[in-house]
Amino acid sequence: SQKIEQNSEALNIQEGKTATLTCNYTNYSPAYLQWYRQDPGRGPVFLLLIRENEKEKRKERLKVTFDTTLKQSLFHITASQPADSATYLCALSPDNYGQNFVFGPGTRLSVLP
Amino acid sequence: KAGVTQTPRYLIKTRGQQVTLSCSPISGHRSVSWYQQTPGQGLQFLFEYFSETQRNKGNFPGRFSGRQFSNSRSEMNVSTLELGDSALYLCASSLGGTSRQETQYFGPGTRLLVL
Repeated sequence: SQKIEQNSEALNIQEGKTATLTCNYTNYSPAYLQWYRQDPGRGPVFLLLIRENEKEKRKERLKVTFDTTLKQSLFHITASQPADSATYLCALSPDNYGQNFVFGPGTRLSVLP
Repeated sequence: KAGVTQTPRYLIKTRGQQVTLSCSPISGHRSVSWYQQTPGQGLQFLFEYFSETQRNKGNFPGRFSGRQFSNSRSEMNVSTLELGDSALYLCASSLGGTSRQETQYFGPGTRLLVL
């Protein structure tokens, strides 16, 4: 069956450290994978998109990798800050038409001062 | 540019009633997608509308329906509400192409509580 999983429900790290979140998928062949941030009571906010032919993508303190062989994406936040505390969701499209996305369950990141 | 707006923000209904939620996309965006978010199931795709036509549909029962107007505004309707329909309903808009490179912009959501 098709599945998209994120490594842990919650992750606590100390301020200044690098947070690494994992997204694994089964029985999908996505051409793209996206990462979103969601704060409590609000809608998700798009962060980064990575294509299947891209190994790595960076945006400021954020870095995403995409390994289609392992069927895995890693999301890194370097020099983490308490303001980075939120739930992070990965999402992929199961087909090649339209804007329907399958989302992972999310990882709730807490950056402790 | 104004973001995606959803109304109402909060809603309380009883079992058996029906509800209509509204979403106004970002100006110029022609695609509107609807999602249901619950603690147990996470964020699940309901359907997508583009140019007043349903372009994609998720695995939800027929009690969930939607429509899109010529100005791209969209409504979703849930009939014969069940307790399990309690959720945060999110809509997202995008330009409307079929490219996966398009960014989806989510609204703040409508929180529905069914008693």
